[in-house]
Amino acid sequence: AQSVTQPDIHITVSEGASLELRCNYSYGATPYLFWYVQSPGQGLQLLLKYFSGDTLVQGIKGFEAEFKRSQSSFNLRKPSVHWSDAAEYFCAVGPSNTNAGKSTFGDGTTLTVKP
Amino acid sequence: DTAVSQTPKYLVTQMGNDKSIKCEQNLGHDTMYWYKQDSKKFLKIMFSYNNKELIINETVPNRFSPKSPDKAHLNLHINSLELGDSAVYFCASSQGASGSNWVYFGPGTRLTVT
Repeated sequence: AQSVTQPDIHITVSEGASLELRCNYSYGATPYLFWYVQSPGQGLQLLLKYFSGDTLVQGIKGFEAEFKRSQSSFNLRKPSVHWSDAAEYFCAVGPSNTNAGKSTFGDGTTLTVKP
Repeated sequence: DTAVSQTPKYLVTQMGNDKSIKCEQNLGHDTMYWYKQDSKKFLKIMFSYNNKELIINETVPNRFSPKSPDKAHLNLHINSLELGDSAVYFCASSQGASGSNWVYFGPGTRLTVT
């Protein structure tokens, strides 16, 4: 069975500082990996995804994530955080070649940005 | 220009009532979904339709019934609402059912059952 763990429930960073949100997954084969952001009162928005090729994936809003098979990780990074990045971030894993809706989501990491 | 839209955005109702949430996507996608996000923010798929046919039906009480009148719409009807149904319900869509497809989410409907 596939599973996702986001070890950090809540992270606080200062505006302008770098950010890394951790995500570890469990899946038997090469997974499809996603990062979503949910701003307060808003729906989910896909930031980036990985399913093959270059293990460093560029997304929207200046985010990137690196797939590390040996560590079963797909951590999200941003070099300089903006106040508008404050939101809930979800990592998700989906099995390849099956319904996109079968993705399993982590419990989320809440990001607070200090001025 | 909204991609995936849901109505209503907020829904407050009493136990035992029947309610519906509507979803529409204008992306021309073939596949649509309903997700439930509980109070702990855990997101779980409920249903998925591909070309108006049900392809995923997770362990969901049969009080929940999805209806897809056409590819662009997937409505969720809930009978005999219970307190535990309080959650945010997200509609979503993707071009196809393959795992490589991007899934686009609606803004969510916050359902509160009192």
